[in-house]
Amino acid sequence: DQQVKQNSPSLSVQEGRISILNCDYTNSMFDYFLWYKKYPAEGPTFLISISSIKDKNEDGRFTVFLNKSAKHLSLHIVPSQPGDSAVYFCAATFDYKLSFGAGTTVTVRA
Amino acid sequence: DAMVIQNPRYQVTQFGKPVTLSCSQTLNHNVMYWYQQKSSQAPKLLFHYYDKDFNNEADTPDNFQSRRPNTSFCFLDIRSPGLGDAAMYLCATSRRPGEREGRDTQYFGPGTRLTVL
Repeated sequence: DQQVKQNSPSLSVQEGRISILNCDYTNSMFDYFLWYKKYPAEGPTFLISISSIKDKNEDGRFTVFLNKSAKHLSLHIVPSQPGDSAVYFCAATFDYKLSFGAGTTVTVRA
Repeated sequence: DAMVIQNPRYQVTQFGKPVTLSCSQTLNHNVMYWYQQKSSQAPKLLFHYYDKDFNNEADTPDNFQSRRPNTSFCFLDIRSPGLGDAAMYLCATSRRPGEREGRDTQYFGPGTRLTVL
């Protein structure tokens, strides 16, 4: 049973524009949410996280928003750069076990 | 740099021939995890060690075993690989829950791509 869902398998965005990645979850016990970035032939790299007690966390070009009532989170990348082209995984956890979404492939066009 | 290392990066084995994948970490983290990831799918947790305590996921096949001889190393043993076990295998680590900083953030190795012939 997939508890974390990323409904958009791919996203194409022009360099300099905003990338918005979305993620939905079903388990109300999740209390910590993370985004990972993955390049081909590499393991996922931690990008940014947010605790369930917050609704926004920002780190440079990356901002994560959490809407607990809607069980929805999103990742904003502004401005998008060619090096941001990768697969982005949303993940959620409680009791230190991660549940991952299937990923969204982001392609940044020059 | 502190990191999670997986060896080998690519492993080819024959159907039914046992294979062992290796993971080591210099982060001194308490928890180590093994995931299986198939193309276009989410990583699937197989099991994890909380210090020396082994925790198996309910749907992990008996064909998959793990060993953690010390804090730094963890092994994934596949006793009789089938064609369906071809995948990327990811090792990850995290701090003990309850520690203040990034308690649930997992740090991943580069993965081992397993091919079964």
